[in-house]
Amino acid sequence: GAVVSQHPSWVICKSGTSVKIECRSLDFQATTMFWYRQFPKQSLMLMATSNEGSKATYEQGVEKDKFLINHASLTLSTLTVTSAHPEDSSFYICSAKSWELTYNEQFFGPGTRLTVL
Amino acid sequence: AQKITQTQPGMFVQEKEAVTLDCTYDTSDPSYGLFWYKQPSSGEMIFLIYQGSYDQQNATEGRYSLNFQKARKSANLVISASQLGDSAMYFCAQEFNQGAQKLVFGQGTRLTINP
Repeated sequence: GAVVSQHPSWVICKSGTSVKIECRSLDFQATTMFWYRQFPKQSLMLMATSNEGSKATYEQGVEKDKFLINHASLTLSTLTVTSAHPEDSSFYICSAKSWELTYNEQFFGPGTRLTVL
Repeated sequence: AQKITQTQPGMFVQEKEAVTLDCTYDTSDPSYGLFWYKQPSSGEMIFLIYQGSYDQQNATEGRYSLNFQKARKSANLVISASQLGDSAMYFCAQEFNQGAQKLVFGQGTRLTINP
């Protein structure tokens, strides 16, 4: 099956620093990648959609200058949380999809748990 | 706006019994897709089953089946012969905005299988 990896799996940082999270599709080319945020005991909320080589499309209420997304290749997208604050602490999950795959489903990475002190 | 509703915050089921997790959706789009994902405590999202709005038959994948009632806008997940490993959060999701094919998720149902 299609595999998506995320790195790091968890990160703890000080308030005011920036954190980069990588999302990779390991065995397929991802035409589109999605970034979600999940607070404890809540559902996944879509933050942004990114296509390789173009600017990400952010959902309403998501600050694009705070959550920088770069989709540099068909297998890699990065999310950078700039000037992180404690309220940014959350579980960040990426997903990837490709027209080559069955159902056109999204394959999810294992997630990155961010804790901002 | 699309909205997915899962009315059961928690379900407790005896091992080997069947369980139905409810999901209703609200859309005016004629073409859409419905997904169910399982999220164990590790956090990964595991794809279970998919139903397209034009599919004539209910989707099935092993022990998982989807009871799709289009007129009622419901897409309930049925797990047969439940196992202890089925204990997890379950999310229903609808794919909308066909161009970008984004997913909107329901609130989730925490399923606990008792031995």
